Amino acid sequence: KQEVTQIPAALSVPEGENLVLNCSFTDSAIYNLQWFRQDPGKGLTSLLLIQSSQREQTSGRLNASLDKSSGRSTLYIAASQPGDSATYLCAGKYGNKLVFGAGTILRVKS
Amino acid sequence: DTEVTQTPKHLVMGMTNKKSLKCEQHMGHRAMYWYKQKAKKPPELMFVYSYEKLSINESVPSRFSPECPNSSLLNLHLHALQPEDSALYLCASSQVERNTEAFFGQGTRLTVV
Repeated sequence: KQEVTQIPAALSVPEGENLVLNCSFTDSAIYNLQWFRQDPGKGLTSLLLIQSSQREQTSGRLNASLDKSSGRSTLYIAASQPGDSATYLCAGKYGNKLVFGAGTILRVKS
Repeated sequence: DTEVTQTPKHLVMGMTNKKSLKCEQHMGHRAMYWYKQKAKKPPELMFVYSYEKLSINESVPSRFSPECPNSSLLNLHLHALQPEDSALYLCASSQVERNTEAFFGQGTRLTVV
């Protein structure tokens, strides 16, 4: 069974800090890994997509890495801002399915 | 345009009602998905349509009935729901190729009373 785990479950940091969110997956037969942001009661906003053949993707202050052999992905957020406060979800693509982790709730304090 | 539009945003329905959720995209995507998300939980896959044909049904109860009338529209028909079906229902779309990016709508918040 494909499982995706995210650590930590919650994170609170002061504004300006760099931070890392972790995602691990049990089945390395992954097509891609996608990171999403979800604000309370809202839908999912796609942040970054990493193909299985790629090691890294960057968008602005966000950088995501993928290591298929170890079953891990990380999302690095540089110079965090209060507006970054949200739940961050990673999801592995297996066939036509996205399998989600439980998410990391991030709070950036001003 | 990377928008997936879901209507309504909120829905309250009784257990004997029949209602429908609607999802629309104009990105030319031929794969469309319904996910269910309970509070403080990750989204769980319900159905996948590929080229307007149902390709995956994750053992969803028959009180949920999906429909894909054309390549841009996806409906979820609801009938005789239970209070435990209250959740955020999310629609997504992507290209059919399996390594492509998925885009989600803002969801419909469903409350069954």
